[in-house]
Amino acid sequence: ETAVFQTPNYHVTQVGNEVSFNCKQTLGHDTMYWYKQDSKKLLKIMFSYNNKQLIVNETVPRRFSPQSSDKAHLNLRIKSVEPEDSAVYLCASSYHRRTGQLYFGEGSKLTVL
Amino acid sequence: GQQVQQSPASLVLQEGENAELQCNFSTSLNSMQWFYQRPGGSLVSLFYNPSGTKHSGRLTSTTVIKERRSSLHISSSQTTDSGTYLCALDSGSWQLIFGSGTQLTVMP
Repeated sequence: ETAVFQTPNYHVTQVGNEVSFNCKQTLGHDTMYWYKQDSKKLLKIMFSYNNKQLIVNETVPRRFSPQSSDKAHLNLRIKSVEPEDSAVYLCASSYHRRTGQLYFGEGSKLTVL
Repeated sequence: GQQVQQSPASLVLQEGENAELQCNFSTSLNSMQWFYQRPGGSLVSLFYNPSGTKHSGRLTSTTVIKERRSSLHISSSQTTDSGTYLCALDSGSWQLIFGSGTQLTVMP
């Protein structure tokens, strides 16, 4: 049963465009995350957000930014996409700030032409 | 070096055979979480196992902290078990550390 919802699930765009992915969780969790999964299935943490505290993986390019209106929502904005941004972006949530059991959304596949 | 090493990278079975997937870790562990990912699909949590053995249907997870390993056993495999299995180490920091995954293919 999905309790972390992502939209859109697929997006194709041109280099230089702006893209946003939305994520909402209905689990009442305190912490939300964005992960990037490459074509080899490797997962890389991008951001963690808990109670207005943002933790950023320092390897994430600055064109990526998270946006949150409340603890149930964490969106991902990419200001000017590059070809290497093509990947699946996965949103997740957990009850505790220091990880704990993670629940993932369906994923948002981005293709940059 | 890598903090979580997952093996094997790929595995092909005949339906009905058993599978043993392994993750070895070199850092402190709060828990190991095991996920299943269908091609093009989301990650589904199978186990959150801090230590000992847990069962769920045909799946068994065993985490042995002093040996720095966690395993996932699939008994009597079915074609619908095909997909990617990922382990992820919870060290108590802000992020999970993922293994590189095992691509499982179960042939009819």
